[in-house]
Amino acid sequence: KQEVTQIPAALSVPEGENLVLNCSFTDSAIYNLQWFRQDPGKGLTSLLLIQSSQREQTSGRLNASLDKSSGRSTLYIAASQPGDSATYLCAVKTANTGNQFYFGTGTSLTVIP
Amino acid sequence: DGGITQSPKYLFRKEGQNVTLSCEQNLNHDAMYWYRQDPGQGLRLIYYSQIVNDFQKGDIAEGYSVSREKKESFPLTVTSAQKNPTAFYLCASSISGPYNEQFFGPGTRLTVL
Repeated sequence: KQEVTQIPAALSVPEGENLVLNCSFTDSAIYNLQWFRQDPGKGLTSLLLIQSSQREQTSGRLNASLDKSSGRSTLYIAASQPGDSATYLCAVKTANTGNQFYFGTGTSLTVIP
Repeated sequence: DGGITQSPKYLFRKEGQNVTLSCEQNLNHDAMYWYRQDPGQGLRLIYYSQIVNDFQKGDIAEGYSVSREKKESFPLTVTSAQKNPTAFYLCASSISGPYNEQFFGPGTRLTVL
């Protein structure tokens, strides 16, 4: 069974800093990896989707990378803003488990003005 | 506007009662999913459906039931057999196939009194 881990569980940074969130997974036979943002009490908002054949994806200040062989992905946030404060989750869809996504427990980010 | 709607936003249930959570999407997606989210844990898959009139159990299906009579709708019933139903429930959908991203609704918070 796929295990997805996100470290750290919580992160607090001053506004303007660049930061990296980590996601690791145990089974490298994945179809894709998706990063989400979740605000308190809300649903998940899709940020970036990386297919298994891709190395990275970019959207605005966000850049996600994927290294399948080592079972790792990183989400890079440039020039952080207080509005970036939220929980960030990664999810992988694994080739051996049909259409199921497996989620990490998330990193809670606080950007201090 | 295209999207996923869940109702109600908040739901209170007495012990021993069955309750049904609604999920509707107008994205023309074939696949739909139900997840449960508890504090400190990642999202866990309850049930998913890849096509009308067909669905599969996820990792924590015990105490839950679903139906998929229409492409747009995937209601979840939390039965009295579910021992600890208080949680945040999230519905999602995607285009069928392994490489497609998932989109989420706003969630329903269920509390057992």
